[in-house]
Amino acid sequence: EPEVTQTPSHQVTQMGQEVILRCVPISNHLYFYWYRQILGQKVEFLVSFYNNEISEKSEIFDDQFSVERPDGSNFTLKIRSTKLEDSAMYFCASSDREAPTGANVLTFGAGSRLTVL
Amino acid sequence: AQSVAQPEDQVNVAEGNPLTVKCTYSVSGNPYLFWYVQYPNRGLQFLLKYITGDNLVKGSYGFEAEFNKSQTSFHLKKPSALVSDSALYFCALRIGYSSASKIIFGSGTRLSIRP
Repeated sequence: EPEVTQTPSHQVTQMGQEVILRCVPISNHLYFYWYRQILGQKVEFLVSFYNNEISEKSEIFDDQFSVERPDGSNFTLKIRSTKLEDSAMYFCASSDREAPTGANVLTFGAGSRLTVL
Repeated sequence: AQSVAQPEDQVNVAEGNPLTVKCTYSVSGNPYLFWYVQYPNRGLQFLLKYITGDNLVKGSYGFEAEFNKSQTSFHLKKPSALVSDSALYFCALRIGYSSASKIIFGSGTRLSIRP
């Protein structure tokens, strides 16, 4: 069964450092997302991406965050200058459009745990 | 405001008993609703969805959910719980009409099934 792959599984970084989290979505999917989950609790939407541009972003997704799909397969989340409160599990998800209703089911990766010291 | 809520942080059920995990929503227009499950150290996995049609939706692992428009609820149910059902369950709501619209998640309900 196709899966979404995320790397690294765990990254420890110092406050103020840049971090790039990588994702390989399912190959024929069209929509890509990043979510984060703090301490195994609420899953928070960060950003959605379609047709090589951001579709929607949350208030969490400020200027410190950016996303890219540089080569048609990878989907990356960059945090330019990490803060302590960025410590969380970051999940990548992808989906295809389901005709005819257009109701898309998300397939999640296993997550990248980011620890900011 | 459009939102999804799970009023219970934890639900405890004995194995073999029926279980219900509650979800309520607020949305303008017709809701697109989902249930996902998360096992420890794993990503979320899709269980089922409601788009239109029958109010009772059947999904994976014997789960089903009942959509109730008048009560704006979408409760997850299973007739007979298994210990292996113990996990974190999330109700989700798509905000917007496009396939690119964001999907937001409730706060999660931890389901614990005791043998």
